[in-house]
Amino acid sequence: GQNIDQPTEMTATEGAIVQINCTYQTSGFNGLFWYQQHAGEAPTFLSYNVLDGLEEKGRFSSFLSRSKGYSYLLLKELQMKDSASYLCAHFSGAGSYQLTFGKGTKLSVIP
Amino acid sequence: DVKVTQSSRYLVKRTGEKVFLECVQDMDHENMFWYRQDPGLGLRLIYFSYDVKMKEKGDIPEGYSVSREKKERFSLILESASTNQTSMYLCAIGTFGTEAFFGQGTRLTVV
Repeated sequence: GQNIDQPTEMTATEGAIVQINCTYQTSGFNGLFWYQQHAGEAPTFLSYNVLDGLEEKGRFSSFLSRSKGYSYLLLKELQMKDSASYLCAHFSGAGSYQLTFGKGTKLSVIP
Repeated sequence: DVKVTQSSRYLVKRTGEKVFLECVQDMDHENMFWYRQDPGLGLRLIYFSYDVKMKEKGDIPEGYSVSREKKERFSLILESASTNQTSMYLCAIGTFGTEAFFGQGTRLTVV
């Protein structure tokens, strides 16, 4: 099956920028999702990359390199409410819709 | 607004009981998924379905079964609940070209 790696935990300061990396196996790739999950809640969608490059959405940006099997989520102007887990998910659409998640990166934003 | 509704937010069941978790969607998406989420292990796929009456095993199907008699409803069944099935259960739906949407989650405790 797909193996997705992302750091377990990160800490950053309010107002700063943080980058959360994600690597995956390149075979059968159709897209890469990022989700945010606050404790005790369901994941909510942040971004979707299909092509190489940077997708920007307000304070959040996501980058993809398909040849390297690499993505990152960039969070700017960090706020305390950004403290959450960030999940990288690989989408493979070969034949059927397969969505595989990494274990998530727990981000703590400190004053 | 997309609606993915899980039948219960919190559930407490006894060991050996048969447990039904229901998921209903209003988006007409063909793909539906059941995941469980445990600390340190991330989201793990139990079963998914890409059409009515069709089902595929995910990474951890042991001890579970599923039913999809209608397109909008996907049920997860614990044939004989055990304490190691205490977890957060998340239903998700998806279709090609868009992100997956999640239900609010069911926190199941087996005592």
